[in-house]
Amino acid sequence: GAVVSQHPSRVICKSGTSVKIECRSLDFQATTMFWYRQFPKQSLMLMATSNEGSKATYEQGVEKDKFLINHASLTLSTLTVTSAHPEDSSFYICSAPSSRGSQETQYFGPGTRLLVL
Amino acid sequence: GENVEQHPSTLSVQEGDSAVIKCTYSDSASNYFPWYKQELGKGPQLIIDIRSNVGEKKDQRIAVTLNKTAKHFSLHITETQPEDSAVYFCAAGGYQKVTFGIGTKLQVIP
Repeated sequence: GAVVSQHPSRVICKSGTSVKIECRSLDFQATTMFWYRQFPKQSLMLMATSNEGSKATYEQGVEKDKFLINHASLTLSTLTVTSAHPEDSSFYICSAPSSRGSQETQYFGPGTRLLVL
Repeated sequence: GENVEQHPSTLSVQEGDSAVIKCTYSDSASNYFPWYKQELGKGPQLIIDIRSNVGEKKDQRIAVTLNKTAKHFSLHITETQPEDSAVYFCAAGGYQKVTFGIGTKLQVIP
């Protein structure tokens, strides 16, 4: 299947600092990528849709000024958690759709574990 | 929007037995139903998916069934092995955007 990478895999930061997470599609181009957040023992919740060349679309309840998304190229989307607080500690996962043959499928990155102290 | 319910939340089976996980969805417009396996500390891995024009799909020990009339779909794992132990998520929606179920923690006991 298609490969999606994330960097870093885990990050620890102090409260009030900003953290940038990268999501890359390694062997395909993605005009759209998705960012999810997963709290311990819970499901994945979609935060926003990242669109190459245009503004991201945020889900209801997600603060766009706190979670900045930039889709700079067809293979890279970044999520910046600004002024992070302990409640932002979570597992952040990105995904990108890829067509294999005639069918499109979502492929997920390995996730980034964020711990805000 | 779409609402996906998944059960059971936990499932323990003996090695070699079968495991079944069931999901229901609410939006009749949903036409894509993937299943993901997530191991501890890792991102979800697609294990099988089914589209609305198909009622059943099988890949070795894994099979998925879809009943669009009743709006439910199920994952069947036969001849379970210890390495099948993980959290399994169903999802429903379109190819671009899906809503996830709560997850099922499967434990295969050797």
